[in-house]
Parts: sequence; structure tokens; C-alpha cells
Amino acid sequence: QQQVKQSPQSLIVQKGGISIINCAYENTAFDYFPWYQQFPGKGPALLIAIRPDVSEKKEGRFTISFNKSAKQFSLHIMDSQPGDSATYFCAASPGGNMLTFGGGTRLMVKP
Amino acid sequence: EPEVTQTPSHQVTQMGQEVILRCVPISNHLYFYWYRQILGQKVEFLVSFYNNEISEKSEIFDDQFSVERPDGSNFTLKIRSTKLEDSAMYFCASSEVGQGKVQYFGPGTRLTVT
Repeated sequence: QQQVKQSPQSLIVQKGGISIINCAYENTAFDYFPWYQQFPGKGPALLIAIRPDVSEKKEGRFTISFNKSAKQFSLHIMDSQPGDSATYFCAASPGGNMLTFGGGTRLMVKP
Repeated sequence: EPEVTQTPSHQVTQMGQEVILRCVPISNHLYFYWYRQILGQKVEFLVSFYNNEISEKSEIFDDQFSVERPDGSNFTLKIRSTKLEDSAMYFCASSEVGQGKVQYFGPGTRLTVT
């Protein structure tokens, strides 16, 4: 019940395209849903986050869509660039501060 | 921009030895965390720490692990008797009071147990 399931495991997108990564959860106590970007050899970097009282949040080219009834949320990267090539992790947090991470998606943006 | 720093970047140790991983959180942050990432797997929560106490811990954080804030700037993770399966990337993270879920991660320490 504490799991967050992320898909796909890997994604290849052409430059300028839209990258979409999906996550699903079971625990209705989750109340904070961040996305992290990780480059090889680096720590996860907070990209964007949403709380369940809104259905969408946009920051620049990055958008989170949140469907509370379906217990799903997704990251959309518009106008994907080669510099976006990284591993992306969704996460969720219940009442405390512990983050439960998804399995990660390795994104490659081809020039 | 302030950032979390960790030392060493890579630690190699023999099975059964004690290791201490060090972190300097962002200066005005008062919540501290340790996570680990076994190669190719997802990031896993170990422990959170606030006001000199453990706030939450996972099943992974057993008696072999301990955390400490030995002074006003450092936050450490000690593994008393390392096992082969402790080989992983260990990330420290920190967050502000009132923004505990908004966590900023350090670059990690790669621990290799031989």
C-alpha cells in the first residue's frame, strides 16, 4: 500500500516532443507528490511538486497532472530537449515527511 | 544557491567494518534525512531527524544504523558492521521547518562493501 508504481521504465523522445511519465499509488494518505530529476552520479533534484487539492501545476516546460479519483499523477515535459535526458522519479509522502519513490524512468531525448 | 554537501563521495570498506557518512545540510534547514539507492533501483527512505531525535524510520534502518548531529552543521549516518548488501548510494537530504516534505538532496556517497 506504500508503493508508488511508475511507468514507463524508459522513454525515448525526439527533440521538441512531449515526454509523459506516469505514476499510480494506492495509499490515500499521500498528500504531497513531487517529481525529481537525477543525472548520472548526482543526487535527485526537486523539479516540481503538487498537492491533491489541485489537478494541475505548471512550471515552465514541466507540468504535473493529478487525478485524485484514479490515484494517478503524471509529469509532462513539453518541448523536450537533449538536456532533459535524465532519470525521473515520482514520489509521494503521507502524513509525515518520508518520501516513497517510484522506480524511475530513464528519459532520452534524441536531437 | 545553498546546497547539501556530502563526504566522502566514495567509500570502500570491508565487510564488518564501521563506516560514518557525513552530510552538511543547507544552513537554515532543521529537518534531515538519509535515503539510499542500490544500483539500478529506486531511492529508499531510511530515516528522518528533527530536534535531535529520529522522527521516522523505515524497516531498513535497523540496529546497525544510527544517526547523529554532532555539531551545528554536520549530520552523520553510522553503519556499525557493514554487510555486502549495504553497498549503495547514500543520499542526505534536508528541508526547512514547515516545509518538511520539500526535500533537497545532496550528491550522495557511494558505499562499496567488499
